[in-house]
Amino acid sequence: AQSVAQPEDQVNVAEGNPLTVKCTYSVSGNPYLFWYVQYPNRGLQFLLKYITGDNLVKGSYGFEAEFNKSQTSFHLKKPSALVSDSALYFCAVRLNTGTASKLTFGTGTRLQVTL
Amino acid sequence: DGGITQSPKYLFRKEGQNVTLSCEQNLNHDAMYWYRQDPGQGLRLIYYSQIVNDFQKGDIAEGYSVSREKKESFPLTVTSAQKNPTAFYLCASSSGSNRGSTGELFFGEGSRLTVL
Repeated sequence: AQSVAQPEDQVNVAEGNPLTVKCTYSVSGNPYLFWYVQYPNRGLQFLLKYITGDNLVKGSYGFEAEFNKSQTSFHLKKPSALVSDSALYFCAVRLNTGTASKLTFGTGTRLQVTL
Repeated sequence: DGGITQSPKYLFRKEGQNVTLSCEQNLNHDAMYWYRQDPGQGLRLIYYSQIVNDFQKGDIAEGYSVSREKKESFPLTVTSAQKNPTAFYLCASSSGSNRGSTGELFFGEGSRLTVL
């Protein structure tokens, strides 16, 4: 079985400060890991993914994530937060079953960036 | 532009009625998915389909049905047997892993179903 944990329901950050949204995972074998962002009443937008290679992955809108195999973590980071980054963020892990990509999602972390 | 279209955006239903949510994609993706989103619970997989005329149950399939008659379309029917259908429903697609895809999902804008 695979699972993802996002330990924080909400993260509050002042604009201009660095932000971190935490994610830990459990999966058999090598994980494929993803981050998505969701704005109110919208679908999920893909931010970045880790498949293999460099542990630091860069994605859209200045976000990056660091894969740490020993700690089974994949934390999302951004050096300088913007008010427009306020949204709901989901971490997901993949189980490769045939040609379908069954992702298991965390419960989400709400990011609130204030002036 | 390529993407996934879900309709309707908002839907109201009386108890005991079946409703069908539409999902169409023009990304030429093989696989399609339906997820349900409830506050504080993240996304839960209802059904998925890897190819036309084939689909599998996800984690919470009871009270739902799907069909995959065309590659582009994957409609979801919420039946009267679904005990708590009020939720935000998300359709997604991905290309098949046998074509080198790394499997990220592309999502539609969602359909919000409210049972009155």
